[in-house]
Amino acid sequence: GAGVSQSPSNKVTEKGKDVELRCDPISGHTALYWYRQSLGQGLEFLIYFQGNSAPDKSGLPSDRFSAERTGGSVSTLTIQRTQQEDSAVYLCASSLVSSGGSEQYFGPGTRLTVT
Amino acid sequence: GENVEQHPSTLSVQEGDSAVIKCTYSDSASNYFPWYKQELGKRPQLIIDIRSNVGEKKDQRIAVTLNKTAKHFSLHITETQPEDSAVYFCAASRGKRSNTGKLIFGQGTTLQVKP
Repeated sequence: GAGVSQSPSNKVTEKGKDVELRCDPISGHTALYWYRQSLGQGLEFLIYFQGNSAPDKSGLPSDRFSAERTGGSVSTLTIQRTQQEDSAVYLCASSLVSSGGSEQYFGPGTRLTVT
Repeated sequence: GENVEQHPSTLSVQEGDSAVIKCTYSDSASNYFPWYKQELGKRPQLIIDIRSNVGEKKDQRIAVTLNKTAKHFSLHITETQPEDSAVYFCAASRGKRSNTGKLIFGQGTTLQVKP
């Protein structure tokens, strides 16, 4: 079946502009995660969604970052007033089981470049 | 806070040799430890994982060991092949003890297998 998809694959934006990144998880997966991967670095957790529960936003680096998940499926990560340090690959992942300890399937990522 | 340290950052081996990557974690509540392989320009993919109720797990040429007392776990790849060349990430999470499956990742190890 289809894997996790993300759009756009690449996004170049000017400093100060807002951007929206989209994630389509695997159908039926209840949990959805956003991570950020800076050049040559590991993956940094941003936010987690599970059903109707309040999201775990503990990884969001600033209040310029927000995310929502509509209808328990598609998710959008929004970055307002982008800064150069926001440049990174933003990865979305989904997993089947609600509790932790389940394989997370990653999307191809969105490469964000802030000029 | 939660932290995962990974060593070495780069590893070069001759084809057919073994490779070992080590990680330590700080959160004593962690009980799920996956390893991801990321080829250049591609998404991370799970290659093996281990839960805290076991000390070792094998899958063909790949094995993972866990020492909960010392809070470290290792990836072992035997009979390495050029296609094993990639960046490897370890991660830790609280698994089913937590209502979030967020993964805390190590910084990654770039493995190069020379033919």
